Amino acid sequence: RKEVEQDPGPFNVPEGATVAFNCTYSNSASQSFFWYRQDCRKEPKLLMSVYSSGNEDGRFTAQLNRASQYISLLIRDSKLSDSATYLCVVNFAGSSNTGKLIFGQGTTLQVKP
Amino acid sequence: GAVVSQHPSWVICKSGTSVKIECRSLDFQATTMFWYRQFPKQSLMLMATSNEGSKATYEQGVEKDKFLINHASLTLSTLTVTSAHPEDSSFYICSARRVGTDTQYFGPGTRLTVL
Repeated sequence: RKEVEQDPGPFNVPEGATVAFNCTYSNSASQSFFWYRQDCRKEPKLLMSVYSSGNEDGRFTAQLNRASQYISLLIRDSKLSDSATYLCVVNFAGSSNTGKLIFGQGTTLQVKP
Repeated sequence: GAVVSQHPSWVICKSGTSVKIECRSLDFQATTMFWYRQFPKQSLMLMATSNEGSKATYEQGVEKDKFLINHASLTLSTLTVTSAHPEDSSFYICSARRVGTDTQYFGPGTRLTVL
């Protein structure tokens, strides 16, 4: 089983749509959670951290359910510029490592006019 | 802001040559840097964790003698792909973790093509 699993998509949605991505992680000791965005042939860029209480940044809302080991990202009012691959990322800071990030394979979003 | 640079941004080389990639944190100090590799349509895979002043920690399946890592200062880590072969062609990305935080900042990546 992969440590971080995402539906690769692609998700094709019209402008203005609301779209949700889900992610599950296998290691219950994981401590930090993030959503990154990666554009084609570019490096990942941090979109937002994810907290148990849920957090919102403009049109983006992230949720974490530790009991189910599940993370979500909701994008409202999709823009053309939201087209990218969204990476679910988990930081496991166990005693035997230095807090390495584990990346999901990413979910591709294509927003159409 | 926190800026991480990589050099070169792309390189094409012949099979059997060695290629050195530099990763620099430009405006902050990083005791830990990470090296990732990403093949087309796949996610980033951590290759190794680079710690300033000590040996790197390699992930399972990554040959430490083939991918040499040196982290000689708080702002510079280098990855050398020795005796590169076509199957080493990939997108190599580094990240740097700011001292005292969990946040990693990514470099722009280096696209390596081995002919």
